[in-house]
Amino acid sequence: DAKTTQPNSMESNEEEPVHLPCNHSTISGTDYIHWYRQLPSQGPEYVIHGLTSNVNNRMASLAIAEDRKSSTLILHRATLRDAAVYYCILVNNNAGNMLTFGGGTRLMVKP
Amino acid sequence: GAVVSQHPSWVICKSGTSVKIECRSLDFQATTMFWYRQFPKQSLMLMATSNEGSKATYEQGVEKDKFLINHASLTLSTLTVTSAHPEDSSFYICSARIPSGGPSTDTQYFGPGTRLTVL
Repeated sequence: DAKTTQPNSMESNEEEPVHLPCNHSTISGTDYIHWYRQLPSQGPEYVIHGLTSNVNNRMASLAIAEDRKSSTLILHRATLRDAAVYYCILVNNNAGNMLTFGGGTRLMVKP
Repeated sequence: GAVVSQHPSWVICKSGTSVKIECRSLDFQATTMFWYRQFPKQSLMLMATSNEGSKATYEQGVEKDKFLINHASLTLSTLTVTSAHPEDSSFYICSARIPSGGPSTDTQYFGPGTRLTVL
């Protein structure tokens, strides 16, 4: 399985942008990049996904490197409610959409 | 957005008893649901894939006779922890997949989790 590497933790100030990096140097051509986040004591929630082009939705933006070996989840204005563990996951048809969760990045937001 | 519920949200039981956890997709039909387990300060680990009308597929190392999964309808999957022991204490989370054009683009919607404590 193609794996991802994320920093264990990051800190941000409230109302400032946050860039959460993810390395996936062994990504295959058919792997989609998915991001989920898990707030404390809750189940994960879907954030965004993409293949090659950058993606935007109401929650975040996803910037994908041209060689696809890395990506960055961008929260444009962090709020205290964005404090969570963010997981970058590669998803492939061959894996039947199973999500393999790594360690993720614990984002702490300071007021 | 799609909503997945779990019941109960928490349960405390005595060692040796069985506990059933329900996972429901409230506003969509889910042919496939997934069950995860999460120990404190660890990541989620997939336990099994539950397919409506067929037997669940268990991940390596997960005892299928201990963790019974039933997916009898398109909106309900249940996980029964049989003869629970303290080491089964964990946060159990289910998810359901909404097809959107291919497994790689499908989104999974997660339940809020069930915290099981076995005394």
